[in-house]
Amino acid sequence: EPEVTQTPSHQVTQMGQEVILRCVPISNHLYFYWYRQILGQKVEFLVSFYNNEISEKSEIFDDQFSVERPDGSNFTLKIRSTKLEDSAMYFCASSEIPGAEQFFGPGTRLTVL
Amino acid sequence: AQSVTQPDIHITVSEGASLELRCNYSYGATPYLFWYVQSPGQGLQLLLKYFSGDTLVQGIKGFEAEFKRSQSSFNLRKPSVHWSDAAEYFCAVGAQKLVFGQGTRLTINP
Repeated sequence: EPEVTQTPSHQVTQMGQEVILRCVPISNHLYFYWYRQILGQKVEFLVSFYNNEISEKSEIFDDQFSVERPDGSNFTLKIRSTKLEDSAMYFCASSEIPGAEQFFGPGTRLTVL
Repeated sequence: AQSVTQPDIHITVSEGASLELRCNYSYGATPYLFWYVQSPGQGLQLLLKYFSGDTLVQGIKGFEAEFKRSQSSFNLRKPSVHWSDAAEYFCAVGAQKLVFGQGTRLTINP
């Protein structure tokens, strides 16, 4: 069964450093998403991406964040200058069309020290 | 604004007992509704979804949910829980952007 994969599973970084979280969505899906879950809190939408551009983003997704689909398979989330409060589990998801089931990856746990 | 409320943060039931997890939503149009399950250290797995049609939807692992427009609810049910059902359960609403509830942690007593 096709699945969304994410790397790394755990990333530890120093405050102020740049991190790139990687995702490989399901191959025939066209819509891609990033969510985050701070420990003990609800899962929050960050951004959706379609046709090589952002289609919707939340207030959380400020100028420190960017997304990219550098090739035909990867979908990345970059945080330019990490803050302590960026520590969270980051989930990538993909769907065939908007409103269809979103398939989630296992997540990357980001720890900012 | 879209929102989801899961009133129960933590529920404990005995193995074999029935289960109902509550979910109330606020959404401007006809909602797309989802229930996801998250086991410790794992990602989110879809249990079931409602888009339209029959308001009682069947999902995986023996779960079902009923959409009640008049109550803005989408409660998840299972007639007999198994120890392996212990996990965090999230209700979500939306199309392109999913809005999640706070989650309900389910503990199963042997």
